[in-house]
Amino acid sequence: AQKITQTQPGMFVQEKEAVTLDCTYDTSDPSYGLFWYKQPSSGEMIFLIYQGSYDQQNATEGRYSLNFQKARKSANLVISASQLGDSAMYFCAMREALNTGGFKTIFGAGTRLFVKA
Amino acid sequence: AAGVIQSPRHLIKEKRETATLKCYPIPRHDTVYWYQQGPGQDPQFLISFYEKMQSDKGSIPDRFSAQQFSDYHSELNMSSLELGDSALYFCASSLAGRVGQYFGPGTRLTVT
Repeated sequence: AQKITQTQPGMFVQEKEAVTLDCTYDTSDPSYGLFWYKQPSSGEMIFLIYQGSYDQQNATEGRYSLNFQKARKSANLVISASQLGDSAMYFCAMREALNTGGFKTIFGAGTRLFVKA
Repeated sequence: AAGVIQSPRHLIKEKRETATLKCYPIPRHDTVYWYQQGPGQDPQFLISFYEKMQSDKGSIPDRFSAQQFSDYHSELNMSSLELGDSALYFCASSLAGRVGQYFGPGTRLTVT
């Protein structure tokens, strides 16, 4: 079975600094996809970034980048120039294939990020 | 761009009552998923539908049922509600063969 591990329950970062949120995963599938979602206190689940297992380059989306180290099975999220609005829960997630060809998303336990002014 | 719509956004029910949550996927998306996120927990997969047929089941209690209608919207029906059913319920939609799974804003169910 696939598994996502986020070892940092909470993180603090100073505004305008960069922060790295850790994520390791375990899967036996050669083809997989990794996601990061942001969940603010309002509860919505906001997609941030995606990395496919065969992608040669690390994914980037604005201030978000994914440090993908396939051999180590890690997919850390790097947020550059942190903003107060970045304070939220962050989930690392993996796509897991379902029997019928669709997929479900399995989530890590999350990391709560606090950005300090 | 149109997103996944869920209604209601908030729902308060008493124990043993029933609740119906609705999900309207992104237009042309053919697959709908339901997730349950308990307080302080990560979301857990409940059930999915592809082209109006149930495709997979996760940790969905027998008291819950769901279906997808001809217009692709989906409803999650919850009966004999228990206090432990209090959670945020997400619907997500995707297009078969595509990577993205797009989440709705969630319905926060509180059982008292």
